[in-house]
Amino acid sequence: ETGVTQSPTHLIKTRGQQVTLRCSSQSGHNTVSWYQQALGQGPQFIFQYYREEENGRGNFPPRFSGLQFPNYSSELNVNALELDDSALYLCASSPGQGQGEQYFGPGTRLTVT
Amino acid sequence: AQSVAQPEDQVNVAEGNPLTVKCTYSVSGNPYLFWYVQYPNRGLQFLLKYITGDNLVKGSYGFEAEFNKSQTSFHLKKPSALVSDSALYFCAVRGRAAGNKLTFGGGTRVLVKP
Repeated sequence: ETGVTQSPTHLIKTRGQQVTLRCSSQSGHNTVSWYQQALGQGPQFIFQYYREEENGRGNFPPRFSGLQFPNYSSELNVNALELDDSALYLCASSPGQGQGEQYFGPGTRLTVT
Repeated sequence: AQSVAQPEDQVNVAEGNPLTVKCTYSVSGNPYLFWYVQYPNRGLQFLLKYITGDNLVKGSYGFEAEFNKSQTSFHLKKPSALVSDSALYFCAVRGRAAGNKLTFGGGTRVLVKP
């Protein structure tokens, strides 16, 4: 098990609602990345935070937003939920922006009805 | 743009036999390459990575992977598969100028039969 934790484990929301997902990074890691994994697919990069600043973003609309806090934990916020937002959301942390691997949390399963 | 292809949706192998999971990639410049494994209802677990140096990389749980620059491939291998190796395997690439963004393949399900 990595030291990355995510909450909640599961979540059910209705279309049009807003959701906040949380991630605690592994100790000593100052970079957090978020990924969306739809059923049967590989993870897709949403965005990355380094020292509380967003410094990379994938092809996701602005209703996907995030924060990183001074302790390097992070939040992913999704507004105006759509049915296609149903997925496993993965958080990954790494020690800086170097060449090392990312350590993933167990994910949050979001279902939008 | 960077991309990863895993041409096999599923690989079936008998326990004790060699296991190979294929991966090809496309990226500008020299790549960083990774393999991750995912068990049901779990996050991704890191197996191994290629950064530079020896083309044969050894990782966790007896897995290894061979980097082939001319064929832009990074196939995952294990000499003797175990039933417990049954899982979903993902290959990922990151360009050296792309920050920390990982691009994943679609995944290959490995089924090891007793």
